Amino acid sequence: ETGVTQTPRHLVMGMTNKKSLKCEQHLGHNAMYWYKQSAKKPLELMFVYNFKEQTENNSVPSRFSPECPNSSHLFLHLHTLQPEDSALYLCASSQVGSGTDTQYFGPGTRLTVL
Amino acid sequence: QKEVEQDPGPLSVPEGAIVSLNCTYSNSAFQYFMWYRQYSRKGPELLMYTYSSGNKEDGRFTAQVDKSSKYISLFIRDSQPSDSATYLCAMTDTGNQFYFGTGTSLTVIP
Repeated sequence: ETGVTQTPRHLVMGMTNKKSLKCEQHLGHNAMYWYKQSAKKPLELMFVYNFKEQTENNSVPSRFSPECPNSSHLFLHLHTLQPEDSALYLCASSQVGSGTDTQYFGPGTRLTVL
Repeated sequence: QKEVEQDPGPLSVPEGAIVSLNCTYSNSAFQYFMWYRQYSRKGPELLMYTYSSGNKEDGRFTAQVDKSSKYISLFIRDSQPSDSATYLCAMTDTGNQFYFGTGTSLTVIP
């Protein structure tokens, strides 16, 4: 595997379900991100982890819960979601402080909440 | 005021045309500027990366940054149908938080 991988690629869940999204980066980066992408809107940053420590939480509802067990893996735990949470959820990684600060994205998980 | 403004399009051009995509921004602290290409149902793919002002060329793609005007551009020469995608601009100051445009949808017609 190379780059940033995400599983599952597609997820349909009911409002009472609990599910988790998984992201893995194979680039040796020290920062990982979760974004939400909805139609006609800019990417919305949800969470940032630098060196496994959460540094940003942009007022994300508590029904989204991130977990970063190590610098290569990132999870997003989902519970009691709403239909408006349906979107493409993108994971990204970067090497902060390298002088070439840019992000590399995974393919995303297309989430549909019924 | 949004941090980054980008015309969502859609933009439709004939094959072989020169395409110009643009973003404006408000934060003068931004130093790193990126263009991503996103095909339907895929994640964004890094296309071009520039630091500070100036031009950068990579094949048919040229990225320009004008920090005095807070304006960045992506030019695509000899556009191909395979260039049909949504193009996102992005920028950052420290690399901790990135700011994205809404994306411009481009269709290149054979």
